[in-house]
Amino acid sequence: GENVEQHPSTLSVQEGDSAVIKCTYSDSASNYFPWYKQELGKGPQLIIDIRSNVGEKKDQRIAVTLNKTAKHFSLHITETQPEDSAVYFCAASNPGQLTFGSGTQLTVLP
Amino acid sequence: EAGVAQSPRYKIIEKRQSVAFWCNPISGHATLYWYQQILGQGPKLLIQFQNNGVVDDSQLPKDRFSAERLKGVDSTLKIQPAKLEDSAVYLCASSLKEGGPQHFGDGTRLSIL
Repeated sequence: GENVEQHPSTLSVQEGDSAVIKCTYSDSASNYFPWYKQELGKGPQLIIDIRSNVGEKKDQRIAVTLNKTAKHFSLHITETQPEDSAVYFCAASNPGQLTFGSGTQLTVLP
Repeated sequence: EAGVAQSPRYKIIEKRQSVAFWCNPISGHATLYWYQQILGQGPKLLIQFQNNGVVDDSQLPKDRFSAERLKGVDSTLKIQPAKLEDSAVYLCASSLKEGGPQHFGDGTRLSIL
């Protein structure tokens, strides 16, 4: 089955700086890679996703890159704000069944 | 549009008791998923429904867990009897079709004493 590894497990940045979270996956057949943000007491919220036929996708301050050859994908958040503080999860899917990474606790320091 | 609704939000029971969770997906979403999220970990898929049929229940502990989705809309997940290791948040998600973006509810936090 699919295995997704996520790094780092914790990340602290100063407000305004950029944050990068990286994930690797094992199943070369995986073709859909979403990123979720989870705040305390809430369910995961989809923030951006990418499919295997695209190398990069951007939505305002958030971008995701995918390297199919190396089987890794990354989340980039620019101009971080305190409200970006949360746990972020990457996931891989082929198709439908999502396998999640172990999460990254992002803290944005004011 | 209204999101995925789950109830109850919290449940505390003793081991060996039974418990049930309810999920109402986003209107029109054919695919429904139940996940288990243990503290400090990512969600793990338990079961996937397409309309009212089971697509994948390979990771569902069938000796104690059961789920149904009657009429292809609402779904219930039951645990009987509960064990200490079942303490977790149970999340329901839905998508318009299989392989589509999944949208999660806020989950039911289960504590086993």
